[in-house]
Amino acid sequence: ETGVTQSPTHLIKTRGQQVTLRCSSQSGHNTVSWYQQALGQGPQFIFQYYREEENGRGNFPPRFSGLQFPNYSSELNVNALELDDSALYLCASSSQGHTGELFFGEGSRLTVL
Amino acid sequence: AQSVAQPEDQVNVAEGNPLTVKCTYSVSGNPYLFWYVQYPNRGLQFLLKYITGDNLVKGSYGFEAEFNKSQTSFHLKKPSALVSDSALYFCAVRDGPSARQLTFGSGTQLTVLP
Repeated sequence: ETGVTQSPTHLIKTRGQQVTLRCSSQSGHNTVSWYQQALGQGPQFIFQYYREEENGRGNFPPRFSGLQFPNYSSELNVNALELDDSALYLCASSSQGHTGELFFGEGSRLTVL
Repeated sequence: AQSVAQPEDQVNVAEGNPLTVKCTYSVSGNPYLFWYVQYPNRGLQFLLKYITGDNLVKGSYGFEAEFNKSQTSFHLKKPSALVSDSALYFCAVRDGPSARQLTFGSGTQLTVLP
């Protein structure tokens, strides 16, 4: 069984740039969620994708957007990067209708200078 | 709205002693409760969950948690701590099966001293 994989593992951007993070879900999982974990804090829900559509969103501005592809992999795009966007971005997969536990990737560490 | 509180930023325990990491929650419906562990610069690993049934749930690596509805708590426990248990622990809640998001606490750093 293949777990959740994310790329890149680390990246550095400057304020105002755009970034794309990628995630491959665990085999058999059709739902992908993205979380932002700032240093010293718990993960915060960004959004969830199911059947290629966003079906839940947390308190994040529209410059955070995503995609899900037919093979259930996903992208997180962040436009107009701000310094506060520096964080570990976690992708998690699950089966829709499953009793809630998420399976997380190792994360992408974004630093905005 | 759903929320989670982990009142202790840091818990220290001697190896071989029992450990408890505390968590309280607030939801409007029936809570789905979870514990995750995070090692440095890594993602989160699922430990255990409570959905319904027996209030004492058992999970990975010898961990267990007790659901207490009247106290709205879901404390993580282990009878005998290992140095390798040292990590960051997160409690999380989902407000029933239809809720899209997990809400996480701020985390508790567990240090097991040899």
